Amino acid sequence: GAVVSQHPSWVICKSGTSVKIECRSLDFQATTMFWYRQFPKQSLMLMATSNEGSKATYEQGVEKDKFLINHASLTLSTLTVTSAHPEDSSFYICSARWTGGKNIQYFGAGTRLSVL
Amino acid sequence: SQKIEQNSEALNIQEGKTATLTCNYTNYSPAYLQWYRQDPGRGPVFLLLIRENEKEKRKERLKVTFDTTLKQSLFHITASQPADSATYLCALLSYSGNTPLVFGKGTRLSVIA
Repeated sequence: GAVVSQHPSWVICKSGTSVKIECRSLDFQATTMFWYRQFPKQSLMLMATSNEGSKATYEQGVEKDKFLINHASLTLSTLTVTSAHPEDSSFYICSARWTGGKNIQYFGAGTRLSVL
Repeated sequence: SQKIEQNSEALNIQEGKTATLTCNYTNYSPAYLQWYRQDPGRGPVFLLLIRENEKEKRKERLKVTFDTTLKQSLFHITASQPADSATYLCALLSYSGNTPLVFGKGTRLSVIA
């Protein structure tokens, strides 16, 4: 199946710093990418929908100034957690939809963020 | 409001038996229904997709059924193995453009040797 690469897989940062997470679709073009957050033993919670060349659409309750999303090309979307705090510690997962492949949505391996 | 329910939070099954997981939905008209596997600390891995006009899909030991009248999908793993132990997620997608997948909470399957 199609591959979505997410980097880094694990990051520890100090409170107040910013962290950037990259998501790449390796063998297909994705006009739409999605960013999810997952807490332990809970399901995936959609944070935002990222469209190539335009502004992301954020879900209710997600601060767009804290979670900056950039989708500059058809294969790359980035999520920047700005001024991170311990409550931002979570598992972040990106996803890309392969519209040429029956609308199957492929996921990255996830990024574990720990804010000290 | 839209709701997806995976009836069992956890399911234990003996090796070699068939595991059956259930996904029910309300207030939703999905065009596609997808099943994913998620291992701890990893992103979901796509398993199977079934369209609204399809009744059944198979892939190796996996089988998915989709009943739009009952608003239910069943996911079967035959001849289950301990390596099948994971959380299985049901997800729905409508036709509309870039709408995101809507996920159920998942069922944690444990296959006991």
